[in-house]
Amino acid sequence: SQQGEEDPQALSIQEGENATMNCSYKTSINNLQWYRQNSGRGLVHLILIRSNEREKHSGRLRVTLDTSKKSSSLLITASRAADTASYFCATTPAGNKLTFGGGTRVLVKP
Amino acid sequence: SQTIHQWPATLVQPVGSPLSLECTVEGTSNPNLYWYRQAAGRGLQLLFYSVGIGQISSEVPQNLSASRPQDRQFILSSKKLLLSDSGFYLCAWKTDMNTEAFFGQGTRLTVV
Repeated sequence: SQQGEEDPQALSIQEGENATMNCSYKTSINNLQWYRQNSGRGLVHLILIRSNEREKHSGRLRVTLDTSKKSSSLLITASRAADTASYFCATTPAGNKLTFGGGTRVLVKP
Repeated sequence: SQTIHQWPATLVQPVGSPLSLECTVEGTSNPNLYWYRQAAGRGLQLLFYSVGIGQISSEVPQNLSASRPQDRQFILSSKKLLLSDSGFYLCAWKTDMNTEAFFGQGTRLTVV
């Protein structure tokens, strides 16, 4: 089974709205990462949050991490049509093993 | 700067044929290397990862194998493809556990 699971599986919003997606994981982690994937392409790293951090920002992205609940959230503010993509969380549960969740497909309608 | 090359971009292979997908990384040394498979609309399934030459960790029992003959080369192979091997295969690298991973553009494999 996968280490991380995203929720919701799919999200449809209007341009300008905020998009929030969540990730839950099972074991202790050193860090949690979020990636973006455009259809049929490789993944692109968005942001990394370490286990001793609770919140991190990067441009329109805001990531939170709650290690007590083993969960993280990704917020995209003021969404744009170009934000349409799948978003994945990833963790390293052991050593250098990097595992991904099932992803959230985000559709931003213009 | 570091780059990752993965080829081919698309591949159509008959059932029972062999497979060899290659991934090479430039601009870094001793990377951790990964092979993932992604079914349509789904998440990434970790197939193999390697922390050094000749060191391969297999995550899922399957019809595939991986090799790392050189520091920056990671090869995914099969002796006889099955229909269920169809999917989108992604190669990735990272330096250590607290860094981001960089992905290749993927190979769309269709077994017919």
